[in-house]
Amino acid sequence: DTAVSQTPKYLVTQMGNDKSIKCEQNLGHDTMYWYKQDSKKFLKIMFSYNNKELIINETVPNRFSPKSPDKAHLNLHINSLELGDSAVYFCASSQDGTGLRVLAFGSGTRLTVV
Amino acid sequence: EDKVVQSPLSLVVHEGDTVTLNCSYEVTNFRSLLWYKQEKKAPTFLFMLTSSGIEKKSGRLSSILDKKELFSILNITATQTGDSAVYLCAVETGTASKLTFGTGTRLQVTL
Repeated sequence: DTAVSQTPKYLVTQMGNDKSIKCEQNLGHDTMYWYKQDSKKFLKIMFSYNNKELIINETVPNRFSPKSPDKAHLNLHINSLELGDSAVYFCASSQDGTGLRVLAFGSGTRLTVV
Repeated sequence: EDKVVQSPLSLVVHEGDTVTLNCSYEVTNFRSLLWYKQEKKAPTFLFMLTSSGIEKKSGRLSSILDKKELFSILNITATQTGDSAVYLCAVETGTASKLTFGTGTRLQVTL
């Protein structure tokens, strides 16, 4: 059973298009995240939702809009795609609590904008 | 299915101790192995290893990869409380760079 699953795994699209990436977790976690991995392998957080409520919104263009219909799902919609949006996007989830949180990651969605 | 297993799952040590974290993997089409340190928000990148036997070092942290035995270790010497974090191992595979993460090792360094 996949704990955190994202679809699609690969996405190739033209500049200017609108696309969505879906994420679902079956771990019963309260918090979900979107990360972007750049070409240098750095993982940068984009958004975090806790029980459907936005709690982290880093400096991300407003062309990116997360949507959380329930606490098990966090989708990422991107409008007017640009070449610089090409990256691997990771969804993750964690259980709220004190101390260090362990994130469970999805396998990533490789987005290529041409 | 690609698998990455980290051990131990959690560890509590005293400041000044040396720790070794383990990561073993079973994957197809290996490209690289990466270590991240995860504190509050975004995991921070530590090392990328592609070749066996070549140690990568950054301050008190070092890591090495064994592609024959399919594992990597991350060493931290003279630990400090600021080293408390979850350490994630991930293996990159395939031509499209898929990343498979281990579950992480939670390290706590006490005074």
